[in-house]
Amino acid sequence: EPEVTQTPSHQVTQMGQEVILRCVPISNHLYFYWYRQILGQKVEFLVSFYNNEISEKSEIFDDQFSVERPDGSNFTLKIRSTKLEDSAMYFCASRGNSQYLFGPGTRLTVT
Amino acid sequence: LAKTTQPISMDSYEGQEVNITCSHNNIATNDYITWYQQFPSQGPRFIIQGYKTKVTNEVASLFIPADRKSSTLSLPRVSLSDTAVYYCLVGDLYTDKLIFGTGTRLQVFP
Repeated sequence: EPEVTQTPSHQVTQMGQEVILRCVPISNHLYFYWYRQILGQKVEFLVSFYNNEISEKSEIFDDQFSVERPDGSNFTLKIRSTKLEDSAMYFCASRGNSQYLFGPGTRLTVT
Repeated sequence: LAKTTQPISMDSYEGQEVNITCSHNNIATNDYITWYQQFPSQGPRFIIQGYKTKVTNEVASLFIPADRKSSTLSLPRVSLSDTAVYYCLVGDLYTDKLIFGTGTRLQVFP
């Protein structure tokens, strides 16, 4: 069964540093997403991406965040200058038709 | 987007059937009902999706009454590994944004 993969599984960074979280979506999917979940809280939508551009983004997804699909297989989330409150699990997802498939997540810890 | 209400938590024992009900009073005509499962520190996993009546797959059944204002996820004979958070989501089939609530935390005891 195809899977969405994410790397790294855990990233520790200092406040103010840039981080890039990587995802490999399902190969024939066209829609890609990032969600995050702060410990003990809800899963929150960040951004959706289709046809090499952002189709929708949430209020959380401010100028510090960016997404890219650099090579047709990877899908990345960059946080330019991390804050303590960015500490969370970040989940990538992809969708072919109606069904979402989520990756295992990257735990980001900002110290 | 239709708001959903589901119990915060439920307890069960191994081998029992578990039914989790979700209320979605303002569901729209085009909305589908989808259930996800999430284990700690893992991404949500699709369980089942339906529009009306009953849907069954190898994992669960989904019961949707005629008015579609609620739905019930049924897990037959749960095991310890079914301990997880279960989310009921309501929205367009091809929605570009999933809205997760707080879900129902199911604890299965031996």
